[in-house]
Amino acid sequence: GEDVEQSLFLSVREGDSSVINCTYTDSSSTYLYWYKQEPGAGLQLLTYIFSNMDMKQDQRLTVLLNKKDKHLSLRIADTQTGDSAIYFCAESGAGNNRKLIWGLGTSLAVNP
Amino acid sequence: DAGVIQSPRHEVTEMGQEVTLRCKPISGHNSLFWYRQTMMRGLELLIYFNNNVPIDDSGMPEDRFSAKMPNASFSTLKIQPSEPRDSAVYFCASSLDAGELFFGEGSRLTVL
Repeated sequence: GEDVEQSLFLSVREGDSSVINCTYTDSSSTYLYWYKQEPGAGLQLLTYIFSNMDMKQDQRLTVLLNKKDKHLSLRIADTQTGDSAIYFCAESGAGNNRKLIWGLGTSLAVNP
Repeated sequence: DAGVIQSPRHEVTEMGQEVTLRCKPISGHNSLFWYRQTMMRGLELLIYFNNNVPIDDSGMPEDRFSAKMPNASFSTLKIQPSEPRDSAVYFCASSLDAGELFFGEGSRLTVL
């Protein structure tokens, strides 16, 4: 079945770049998403990329999509302590953009 | 805008008791989702509604779980009887069509 995989933990130093990786199995996904969850809060959409794009940049965030390898990455430049959170990768399921397939989330720890 | 509002934020109950979680979606949104989040299984979609009609409840664990959406501004998720394995954070989210999901802050349920 459809699956999304992410590494569970990432630790970086403040000011460095963070790269969070995700692989997915459904090649028919229309959109791929990155959501952020801060402690004790719900998830918030961080950014998304349409499946016919290979890169999207938004201020400190860069999303790279390799459709051939079904690999998605999120790069956060100049990582700050406020970026410490869990980052979820999600893809829109085949034929149903409402039913997202979620990864387990990557917990990003930013050390001063 | 107030965002998605969930209540209660925390609930501690004993095994066998009935639990009712409540959600008020963002005004104007026509899709509502109930998710469950645990460390072991991550984020699981339990059920979603479109225009107040349940569309997909395949994620509802068993008959002990039920969800209703009597109108566009209110939904409930009920567990009866509750069991310790139901302990989790339950999120409600809403969206306009297949757009961005807006999550509430979650209801943390502990069943003793």
